[in-house]
This record gives sequence, C-alpha cells and structure tokens, in this order.
Amino acid sequence: SYVLTQPPSVSVAPGKTANITCGGNNIATKSVHWYQQRPGQAPVLVISYDRDRPSGIPERFSGSNSGNTATLTISSVEAGDEADYYCQVWHSDSDHFVFGAGTKVTVI
Amino acid sequence: QVQLVQSGAELKKPGASVKVSCKTSGYTFTKYGVSWVRQAPGQGLEWMAWINPYNGNIYYSQKQIFQGRISVTRDTSTNTVFMELGNLRSDDTAIYYCARDCGTDCQNFDYWGQGTLVAVSS
Repeated sequence: SYVLTQPPSVSVAPGKTANITCGGNNIATKSVHWYQQRPGQAPVLVISYDRDRPSGIPERFSGSNSGNTATLTISSVEAGDEADYYCQVWHSDSDHFVFGAGTKVTVI
Repeated sequence: QVQLVQSGAELKKPGASVKVSCKTSGYTFTKYGVSWVRQAPGQGLEWMAWINPYNGNIYYSQKQIFQGRISVTRDTSTNTVFMELGNLRSDDTAIYYCARDCGTDCQNFDYWGQGTLVAVSS
C-alpha cells in the first residue's frame, strides 16, 4: 500500500508562513490534494491537483509537489488557519484513496 | 446547491451492524462517485470505500479491519448511498463521512456530508 507521511504538528506565528509537508515514494508522479479540518467540522478541500485552489479558498494557500515531497504553504497565517491539514492521493495500483495522518497547525 | 445529508448518530453493541445513509441533492447523482471516510476520536481520516452511482462499481479498502465487514450500495431512485458495517467492535467508534468526488477520473473530494457518529459500546 502507499503511505503518506506528514509531521504531526507545525507551529507558526501570525503573519508568518507555514509549510506542511507530505512525503511519499515518487509522490511527484501523483496528484496531491489537501484538506483543512477545523474541530468539529467536516474536511474542506483547500488545494487540488498539487496547486489548484478551489473557489473561495484564499490565495494565501498554495501547493507544490516535487520528488518525494508535496508541500502545502500557508502565507500570512491567521488565527483562523489553526486546524488539522491532510494530504490525499489516489493510488491507482490498488484503486485506493490514501490520506496522510494529518498535521495540526497551531498559530502561536 | 450540492448537499450530502447523512443519517443520525447511532449507538450499537459489539457484534451488531450499522447502516449509514447519505442522501445527495443539487447535482446529477450518477455523474459523481461517493466515498466513505471515517475518523476515530482524535485520529486522522481513513478511506473505506468508493462507489460509482452510475454502474454500481465499488472499490473497498483492502485493510484487514474492513475485510468482509463493509458493504456499500446506492439507490438511484432517491439519490442515496448507503454504507453498512457489520460485526462492530469498539474501535469502530468514529465519525463516518460520505464525500463526493469531483467527477469522472477525479481524485479528490469536493463536497462532504456532515458526518455520522457511530458509537460502539456494550
């Protein structure tokens, strides 16, 4: 099975930049999607296909994917960005959707 | 607008089964796949299964914990997808979400249900 590895937590000061990584074997050959989940709420798609922002997602959210690591970048972090973030791919070899374990972003 | 509305919370005893529904509206039901994703308390997201409402094709997670226990079906007359999990154990306690994928060959989930809490306890 395909494994996605995320850091458990990232801390960032307001106004600074948060980088959340998602590691996987040759992940650059896959499309990576990112979700934000606030406490008590369903996940929300914030980045699709490595770097596309769905309608309504602020430009502060961006993504990249290269080699064995995909990255979600949140610029000018705000208190409201405090949430869990999950990366996700489609693993065609096994016809499975795969999620990373999630990264808790804390705004300090 | 697109909506996925799930059935209410359930309390089940170990060994029982639970069937959760996901009623969709606001789009053509047969054009978008629907997955089931669960989240145990304090844990991450876990993909369980996907169904193509058009032809009924299903992909199930190959994780041992789901083997032989999960069944996903759909009713095209009511635009509803169902997930049944049998032989429940305490570690099946979780919020269960249905999620729509974004269309043919699309690989992410653009709309989610509100979640259904399934608690398993004797």
